[in-house]
Amino acid sequence: ETGVTQTPRHLVMGMTNKKSLKCEQHLGHNAMYWYKQSAKKPLELMFVYSLEERVENNSVPSRFSPECPNSSHLFLHLHTLQPEDSALYLCASSQDVQPHRELFFGEGSRLTVL
Amino acid sequence: DAKTTQPTSMDCAEGRAANLPCNHSTISGNEYVYWYRQIHSQGPQYIIHGLKNNETNEMASLNITEDRKSSTLILPHATLRDTAVYYCIVRGINTGTASKLTFGTGTRLQVTL
Repeated sequence: ETGVTQTPRHLVMGMTNKKSLKCEQHLGHNAMYWYKQSAKKPLELMFVYSLEERVENNSVPSRFSPECPNSSHLFLHLHTLQPEDSALYLCASSQDVQPHRELFFGEGSRLTVL
Repeated sequence: DAKTTQPTSMDCAEGRAANLPCNHSTISGNEYVYWYRQIHSQGPQYIIHGLKNNETNEMASLNITEDRKSSTLILPHATLRDTAVYYCIVRGINTGTASKLTFGTGTRLQVTL
């Protein structure tokens, strides 16, 4: 139990569907992140939020839309995805965005796009 | 951030010490060595980090050589649950953000009976 909870753990969607991934952290952290992990590839940073403001967007296609309504919750809205978007999506949090902070990861949401 | 080199995979018998090496010959003075691990289909988990002194916590020990060009993560009594990919990451404390941890491909540790 890392204090970062992701739902759903598994999601299967068609290319025309709209779905959302949810992340909640119970650690009192001020920074939250979305990462993507495709099969046999290193983690790729997607988005960074600090105090509910997006501070990084790593050239992610617009079919991925993040939302951070407060410092404890982070969403990733998915729309018209492609099969190559199938991956493990990981949420993480840290006390703040200082470079030495430890990242606390959730268990991930495994997405399959048909 | 300095680049790291790790073996692709290692095996360890359960109950024995697992010693995972990492080379970081281009490390600079303000860069820390971090270790994370990722158990299959889960998110990465922080293990330990250090600057130049050896560090120990409830999960592992980290030995950093005097010249800081390499380090070893030690799991003193490996169990089957320690089977995972272990990432050695070198990270400056004054540059970028926490998100800039570059995980690379790591070492796949297989603990066997």
